[in-house]
Amino acid sequence: DADVTQTPRNRITKTGKRIMLECSQTKGHDRMYWYRQDPGLGLQLIYYSFDVKDINKGEISDGYSVSRQAQAKFSLSLESAIPNQTALYFCATSDPSGRPGNEQFFGPGTRLTVL
Amino acid sequence: SQQGEEDPQALSIQEGENATMNCSYKTSINNLQWYRQNSGRGLVHLILIRSNEREKHSGRLRVTLDTSKKSSSLLITASRAADTASYFCATISSGSARQLTFGSGTQLTVLP
Repeated sequence: DADVTQTPRNRITKTGKRIMLECSQTKGHDRMYWYRQDPGLGLQLIYYSFDVKDINKGEISDGYSVSRQAQAKFSLSLESAIPNQTALYFCATSDPSGRPGNEQFFGPGTRLTVL
Repeated sequence: SQQGEEDPQALSIQEGENATMNCSYKTSINNLQWYRQNSGRGLVHLILIRSNEREKHSGRLRVTLDTSKKSSSLLITASRAADTASYFCATISSGSARQLTFGSGTQLTVLP
């Protein structure tokens, strides 16, 4: 969905490096999410934010941190990357006021490889 | 841990046939959603069914929900090669902070 963008799309890094993945959205949604997907598996929630002043841990937040710089921007950081953080990372947004079912809109993903 | 489990994990059919995928979940839900993912791409929302609904249609998609069995099915009729993708169910649990919990997905291959 072109309304949710992620940078970079691909990143190869080394163990111990600090990495930041960025997400921007033009949908005007308050809620933003970061997910991780491992090969052959579904998505696991890392962190989510319901507005600029709200940050919540998901089911697998260890080793990650986030920053909600503005309504439209939500960044995910790996302070010291390790090989088992190699995965596909997705950002998503939702707007329960407009869609009470909380359907989410996903970015194209960032493929991260930690050597 | 993942809320939903899809069955089968992989499904291969001929173009024109129907494809049925099943999803089971563990806790009471507010709604259940199905998403589609083309290889290595982001997920796209397909259809949502609320806990008080039993069946819903959208084009060639038909979703059923059985809350007593904590299960749902997605039927794609008259499949096309372009339907080849992974399909995930995701649930919003009752009384939760309205987070989506995803299953592990079914990989559908439609052969031309």
